[in-house]
Amino acid sequence: GENVEQHPSTLSVQEGDSAVIKCTYSDSASNYFPWYKQELGKRPQLIIDIRSNVGEKKDQRIAVTLNKTAKHFSLHITETQPEDSAVYFCAASKGFGGGATNKLIFGTGTLLAVQP
Amino acid sequence: ETGVTQTPRHLVMGMTNKKSLKCEQHLGHNAMYWYKQSAKKPLELMFVYSLEERVENNSVPSRFSPECPNSSHLFLHLHTLQPEDSALYLCASSQDTPGGAEKLFFGSGTQLSVL
Repeated sequence: GENVEQHPSTLSVQEGDSAVIKCTYSDSASNYFPWYKQELGKRPQLIIDIRSNVGEKKDQRIAVTLNKTAKHFSLHITETQPEDSAVYFCAASKGFGGGATNKLIFGTGTLLAVQP
Repeated sequence: ETGVTQTPRHLVMGMTNKKSLKCEQHLGHNAMYWYKQSAKKPLELMFVYSLEERVENNSVPSRFSPECPNSSHLFLHLHTLQPEDSALYLCASSQDTPGGAEKLFFGSGTQLSVL
C-alpha cells in the first residue's frame, strides 16, 4: 500500500524567513497531494492541494511543487508569520474516481514554529 | 465551523465499558471517514463509507465497530478497548466525484482516554 514519509519532523524559522517541508510517496499511481494545517487543539484544515497533472501551484504565500518522477512533493511558505505556527501534514491518494472515495494516506507531520 | 460536528469532545472510559462516538455532517457530502490521531504518528485511516456503504476497513481491530445509518451520520462503537487506543478520533467528510479525490472536511475530534 501507499506509504508517505515527511521531513523534517520539527522546523523552527525566524519570522519573515521561508519554510520548506518535503514528502515522498511510494505508490506511483497516486495522483492527489493535499497539505493540511493543524493548529494546536484544532482540526486539520486543507491549505493547498495539487494533482498529478500539474507541477506547481501557488496561493499567496504558500506553494506546492510536485516531482512525479522522483515521487516527492514539497510545501513552501514564504515570509512566514507567527500565525503560520502549526503542524503541517502532507498526504497522498489515488482518487480512483467512478464515485469511489478518497483514501488519503498522511505523513507524520511537521511542527513548524515561527519565532517572532 | 466546517460543517462536521463530533460528540463528545472528550471521553474517558474503562476497558470494560461500551461507548459510541458520533459524527454529523451538514455539507451534503457523499463520503465519511474515521481517522485515528496519536502522538507522533501519522493520521491513520480507519474506515471509509461511500453512499452509506463501507468501502474501506483498514485492518482495524473488531473492538471498533463503525455504523453509517445515512449519508449525514457516522458512529464509532467502542467496546473492551485497550489503553493504547487512547487517541484523538477524527471524523471527516468529502464530496467525491468521478473526477477523483476531493477535499476532506474534519470535525474537531473526540479525545479518548482509556483507563
